[in-house]
Amino acid sequence: LAKTTQPISMDSYEGQEVNITCSHNNIATNDYITWYQQFPSQGPRFIIQGYKTKVTNEVASLFIPADRKSSTLSLPRVSLSDTAVYYCLVALNSGYSTLTFGKGTMLLVSP
Amino acid sequence: NAGVMQNPRHLVRRRGQEARLRCSPMKGHSHVYWYRQLPEEGLKFMVYLQKENIIDESGMPKERFSAEFPKEGPSILRIQQVVRGDSAAYFCASSPPRGGYNEQFFGPGTRLTVL
Repeated sequence: LAKTTQPISMDSYEGQEVNITCSHNNIATNDYITWYQQFPSQGPRFIIQGYKTKVTNEVASLFIPADRKSSTLSLPRVSLSDTAVYYCLVALNSGYSTLTFGKGTMLLVSP
Repeated sequence: NAGVMQNPRHLVRRRGQEARLRCSPMKGHSHVYWYRQLPEEGLKFMVYLQKENIIDESGMPKERFSAEFPKEGPSILRIQQVVRGDSAAYFCASSPPRGGYNEQFFGPGTRLTVL
């Protein structure tokens, strides 16, 4: 399983764009990059998934360079409610993967 | 469409007792996963089940822990003779029969406290 490395914590202010970068140097050819969000006392929630280049949905964008050894989750104009832990995962896109969560990045958004 | 349901939300047990955690997957989902989260840690995979089958239990401790997903009813994670180190949040997730995304739908978790 590819190991991921991401910052332990990040601080931001309301209205700013936040970029969280994740390193996955040993990513395999068939692996996809997936991001989850977890609020305190709740289960994680899927945010976005991609294989290469750029993926965008109503919540976030995911940028993946050509070598796929890293990825960047971009949250546009964060609000206080975006304060959460964000996990970067690498797994096969079988839909049945057993997900491996690291410690994630604790994002704190302040007024 | 109700999400993944877990009960109880909070469970207190004394050392040596048994803990039973229940998980009802989302309607139409046939794959269930159990994860454990220790304080200040990420989630750790424990077991992956389909109806009446254990697919992957590589994350389950060898002793005292067992899981099932019967043909009828919820999935059960059972911890026998609990110890203080079992205190954690236990999350259940489910996914639909046909894959495509690594999107698992998580329940709210059961917080187990062992006194």
